[in-house]
Amino acid sequence: ILNVEQSPQSLHVQEGDSTNFTCSFPSSNFYALHWYRWETAKSPEALFVMTLNGDEKKKGRISATLNTKEGYSYLYIKGSQPEDSATYLCAFVGGTSYGKLTFGQGTILTVHP
Amino acid sequence: DAGVTQSPTHLIKTRGQQVTLRCSPKSGHDTVSWYQQALGQGPQFIFQYYEEEERQRGNFPDRFSGHQFPNYSSELNVNALLLGDSALYLCACRSAGTGGADTQYFGPGTRLTVL
Repeated sequence: ILNVEQSPQSLHVQEGDSTNFTCSFPSSNFYALHWYRWETAKSPEALFVMTLNGDEKKKGRISATLNTKEGYSYLYIKGSQPEDSATYLCAFVGGTSYGKLTFGQGTILTVHP
Repeated sequence: DAGVTQSPTHLIKTRGQQVTLRCSPKSGHDTVSWYQQALGQGPQFIFQYYEEEERQRGNFPDRFSGHQFPNYSSELNVNALLLGDSALYLCACRSAGTGGADTQYFGPGTRLTVL
């Protein structure tokens, strides 16, 4: 059974703070790691797909890094805004899984004005 | 907007009943996966359909079955509903040629409540 863990479970920050959270995944049979942002009552929105060890991706104020050897990824948000409030999910894809996503339980981010 | 639609939005059923949920993928996306999200957990993989065949299955009982149509849309059927089947059901779609390292697009989900 694959174990994908996210920490913390929830996070409250003030507007303007920078924040980061962690996704841990198996370091063997790695194929890809996906990050999603999920706002209440909406579809999960794809942020990044990461495949290479040492990969760094950026989208506006959000960035992510990947370490496949030790099995973790960090998601960073710089200068958090209330509209960043959402659940952030990571999902591991193994090498023989036809793209099956194994999700962590998510980190719930609340940004207070 | 990812263009993936699911219906219905919400559904209330009683134990023992059967339910059918539907997913219409974004244009050109021929691979459809279904996920169940119970409260407080991340989505869990149910199964994946490609070329109208179930290609891979997660750890779900046979009460969960599916179908894919020639236009790539898909149905998820759950028989003999249990209280524990109450969850949000998501479908995710992609093009088969892109593999597991390309974006998968999710629908908004169907909220199933079993009483």
